[in-house]
Amino acid sequence: EPEVTQTPSHQVTQMGQEVILRCVPISNHLYFYWYRQILGQKVEFLVSFYNNEISEKSEIFDDQFSVERPDGSNFTLKIRSTKLEDSAMYFCASSERQVYQPQHFGDGTRLSIL
Amino acid sequence: AQKVTQAQTEISVVEKEDVTLDCVYETRDTTYYLFWYKQPPSGELVFLIRRNSFDEQNEISGRYSWNFQKSTSSFNFTITASQVVDSAVYFCALSPENSGGYQKVTFGIGTKLQVIP
Repeated sequence: EPEVTQTPSHQVTQMGQEVILRCVPISNHLYFYWYRQILGQKVEFLVSFYNNEISEKSEIFDDQFSVERPDGSNFTLKIRSTKLEDSAMYFCASSERQVYQPQHFGDGTRLSIL
Repeated sequence: AQKVTQAQTEISVVEKEDVTLDCVYETRDTTYYLFWYKQPPSGELVFLIRRNSFDEQNEISGRYSWNFQKSTSSFNFTITASQVVDSAVYFCALSPENSGGYQKVTFGIGTKLQVIP
């Protein structure tokens, strides 16, 4: 069964550094998402992306965050200047055109900011 | 605004017992989708079920069953004859139907289920 893949599985970065988290969504999916889960807390929506633009973003998704689909397969989340509180598991998800289809999540990237 | 409440933060059961995980939601949308996801200790999110707000039929899949009651805004999840492999955090989630096609899923805080052998 096709799946969403995320790399790396664990990223350790110094505070203030830029980090890019990578995702390869399922190939025929058109909607892409990023979610964040701080350790022990709930999964929170960050951003949705369709047709090369952001559809919606949450309050968490401030100017330090950006998303990009640089080619036909990758979907990236960039954090420009990381803070300690950015430490979390970041999940990428994708879904088909029809809204009733569920989002398929990747296995997540654990981001640790030192 | 949407909200998903999972009042049970942790549940422990002995293997083979049945267990029900509660989920109550709030939304102003007339059409929406409800989901359950499982997060095992390895951390990934595993999709279990999606339910449309117009479809109040209960669903059974093996040892899993779901009870959707629109009148009480609840979407409870029952595991029958629990097994150790069911130990995980279970998230209930809600997404409005969106004419733009994308989904903004709101998750509950999760219920950590521990099945003791």
